Amino acid sequence: EAGVAQSPRYKIIEKRQSVAFWCNPISGHATLYWYQQILGQGPKLLIQFQNNGVVDDSQLPKDRFSAERLKGVDSTLKIQPAKLEDSAVYLCASSLTGRNYGYTFGSGTRLTVV
Amino acid sequence: AQSVTQPDIHITVSEGASLELRCNYSYGATPYLFWYVQSPGQGLQLLLKYFSGDTLVQGIKGFEAEFKRSQSSFNLRKPSVHWSDAAEYFCAVGAPQAGTALIFGKGTTLSVSS
Repeated sequence: EAGVAQSPRYKIIEKRQSVAFWCNPISGHATLYWYQQILGQGPKLLIQFQNNGVVDDSQLPKDRFSAERLKGVDSTLKIQPAKLEDSAVYLCASSLTGRNYGYTFGSGTRLTVV
Repeated sequence: AQSVTQPDIHITVSEGASLELRCNYSYGATPYLFWYVQSPGQGLQLLLKYFSGDTLVQGIKGFEAEFKRSQSSFNLRKPSVHWSDAAEYFCAVGAPQAGTALIFGKGTTLSVSS
């Protein structure tokens, strides 16, 4: 089965610019997550979708971050405007909602804000 | 508050020696427990998971972990480390139901010396 696809792999932008990341989850996975992983730390949840509805966005900095999941499949995460502290790896993951708790991560997008 | 603690930031082990990575958690109930590995520039790969039942779980690449309820711990072990095991290891917890986000520790970096 194909994994979780993310693009781009790397992105370098200047502060105050905007950037968008894309994620395509595993087919059939209803739940999609965006995590932020700052260097030296574990991943931190930004937002969780169930189909195309938001389940948890309590840790999403909504003044600059936004995310959507159209048609319950692909998702985009946007940052506008970016700050230096947004430099991180942005990981997308998807999971089943059944008992097996299948949970798969993509390779991530490494963002550098200069 | 729900949290995961990995007390060791960095561990160096000789190739062929045994390994134990520590993980302690704070959670309201017995959570689902996971260990992930992340190689440089890569996404997170699931090593093993514990939901219920036998407290000693086997994973991929020769890893195992033991759940100890009384100590709120889920330590990862490997009897003989290979150079290719050098990576960052993350312990994570999740609510005991599928489709919920994971909470990660800050990770332990494993170096393997020859």
